[in-house]
Amino acid sequence: DIQLTQSPSFLSASVGDRVTITCRASQGISTYLAWYQQKPGKAPKLLIYAASTLQSGVPSRFSGSGSGTEFTLTISSLQPEDFATYYCQQLHSNLLLTFGGGTKVEIK
Amino acid sequence: QVQMVQSGAEVKKPGASVKVSCKASGYSFTIHYMHWVRQAPGQGLEWMGVINPSTGYTSYAQKLKGRVTMTSDTSTSTVYMELSSLRSDDTAVYYCARERRDSSGYDYWGQGTLVTVSS
Repeated sequence: DIQLTQSPSFLSASVGDRVTITCRASQGISTYLAWYQQKPGKAPKLLIYAASTLQSGVPSRFSGSGSGTEFTLTISSLQPEDFATYYCQQLHSNLLLTFGGGTKVEIK
Repeated sequence: QVQMVQSGAEVKKPGASVKVSCKASGYSFTIHYMHWVRQAPGQGLEWMGVINPSTGYTSYAQKLKGRVTMTSDTSTSTVYMELSSLRSDDTAVYYCARERRDSSGYDYWGQGTLVTVSS
């Protein structure tokens, strides 16, 4: 199975900060990567697919980049509603999908 | 609008089985694969498997093979996930999630179903 390692697992930031989360794959996955945001008690929400394409309705302060084994999710200016947990997911192995361990973004 | 509505919370004893449903509406049911993802309390997301609602073809996570069965009913636009031989570490919220047509992610999710396994 392809393993995904997210870092950091936890970060503390302030409103207005630029935040970057990294996701590393154990083998090359081209751009078959998605990012999700999850708030407590809610289902995850798709933010980015194909590594860098913004899902419809998602604010433009979110962006994704990368290919192969290293990917990043960037929030250009953190807003109060962005405090949540973020997960990456690989879709390269179409029938054996995996998620990263998650990054919890909290208010400093 | 697209919706996926899951069945309600369940409490089961160890060794029992549970069957969770996910009823889809607002789109053509047979053209999107449906996945199941679970999340244990305070933990991350775990992919369980996928079903092609049109053909019934499935693929399951290795650790759940032999215990999980996913099925679909095209007449009611509903997918089901049954997990048998339940253990305490199966306690989790179970989600269905619709795969985008280009297989690039899950664009719609059910609300989640809490399954508690306790003696």
